[in-house]
Amino acid sequence: EVQLLESGGGLTQTGGSLRLSCAASGFTFSNYAMSWVRQTPEKGLEWVSSISNDGADPRYADSVKGRFTISRDNSKSMLYLQMNSLRAEDTAIYYCAKNPRGPASYIYFDNWGQGTLVTVSS
Amino acid sequence: EIVMTQSPATLSVSPGERATLSCRASQNIGINLAWYRQKPGQAPRFLIYGASTRATGIPARFSGSGSVTEFTLTISSLQSEDFAVYYCEQYNNWPPTFGQGTKVEIK
Repeated sequence: EVQLLESGGGLTQTGGSLRLSCAASGFTFSNYAMSWVRQTPEKGLEWVSSISNDGADPRYADSVKGRFTISRDNSKSMLYLQMNSLRAEDTAIYYCAKNPRGPASYIYFDNWGQGTLVTVSS
Repeated sequence: EIVMTQSPATLSVSPGERATLSCRASQNIGINLAWYRQKPGQAPRFLIYGASTRATGIPARFSGSGSVTEFTLTISSLQSEDFAVYYCEQYNNWPPTFGQGTKVEIK
């Protein structure tokens, strides 16, 4: 059974940083691209970032480009999202999600974690 | 980016009845469309990809159809666990984008 467990969310101030982690199990992590998707009541579901199975192809939404960095450690089956220069509009539930194939293209999300809440206060 | 528009925003249906949800893309996305169901307080659950292919373990009461810009999710006989919010997502063009959701509520 695929399991994705996020951690690292919390409360921070505008301009602050947080690092989200996602522990994956139940599948061969190194074979699949992985993503972060966030959700707010106002904007709904929003794709944030994806990374190919080998880590060579990270992709970002324009809204986070230059501020967020996605990475992975295939030896540990871990996915990360380093979030810097946080803004109030980054406040959301952040989900770790598995993609159906290795490359970070034609991205849909076949398994989701339970989410971690990030709150950015001004 | 491609805008996904779902309708209606809310659908009131009695248990056991059929529900039909619509999703429209602002550009041609072929059949590169996925559907998800989200129950309150839970993460989205993957239902359908390729516009009409059910994900593993998804019951046959869920069916998807459509292509190009017009898509439909049909739930043939609503069960209690199906009263939730449904999202469509296009993955034909970068970035992947979601619709705003359709809430299926008990009539």
